[in-house]
Amino acid sequence: EAGVVQSPRYKIIEKKQPVAFWCNPISGHNTLYWYLQNLGQGPELLIRYENEEAVDDSQLPKDRFSAERLKGVDSTLKIQPAELGDSAVYLCASSLGLAGGETQYFGPGTRLLVL
Amino acid sequence: DAKTTQPPSMDCAEGRAANLPCNHSTISGNEYVYWYRQIHSQGPQYIIHGLKNNETNEMASLIITEDRKSSTLILPHATLRDTAVYYCIVRVAVGTSGSRLTFGEGTQLTVNP
Repeated sequence: EAGVVQSPRYKIIEKKQPVAFWCNPISGHNTLYWYLQNLGQGPELLIRYENEEAVDDSQLPKDRFSAERLKGVDSTLKIQPAELGDSAVYLCASSLGLAGGETQYFGPGTRLLVL
Repeated sequence: DAKTTQPPSMDCAEGRAANLPCNHSTISGNEYVYWYRQIHSQGPQYIIHGLKNNETNEMASLIITEDRKSSTLILPHATLRDTAVYYCIVRVAVGTSGSRLTFGEGTQLTVNP
């Protein structure tokens, strides 16, 4: 069974540029999560989707970050414009959801470097 | 959110059991304890979870104290590939439809040859 797929794996951009990350969850997983992980720290939740609905986005900095999951499968996280402090690893995870089990499975992450 | 406390680092000899402790004294009755690990440059990997009873799977065993205020993750025969950061997390219910994992800084386990 394929795991969570993320692309790109690495991205280097200059500050003020836009950037987007893509995530394909495990087949059949209705719940999708985006996390941010700074160096030396644990992941922090940015947003959680139940199908196509964002049900927990309280930690998402909405002035520059946006996310979408239009058909309830793939998801895109965007930053516009990027700042130096956005350099981090962006992780996507998925789960079957409350009805099927809350265990989250993570992708490999996208490592972003903003210059 | 229920907070967890873990030692920042531990060492273990290859082939020996690794016992990773975690304190979660503010855990509520319906909150699960989850363990993940993260090998360098990879995403977190699910290991095991439990509510009250001890649990065992192909990767590890989870021992939860009777008062549920602490737990221990046991890797019975550690290998060099088990070197990673291990996170103990209390899964917190959010509203009526889901839950949240709040990661701390974890324990850096180093398995030595």
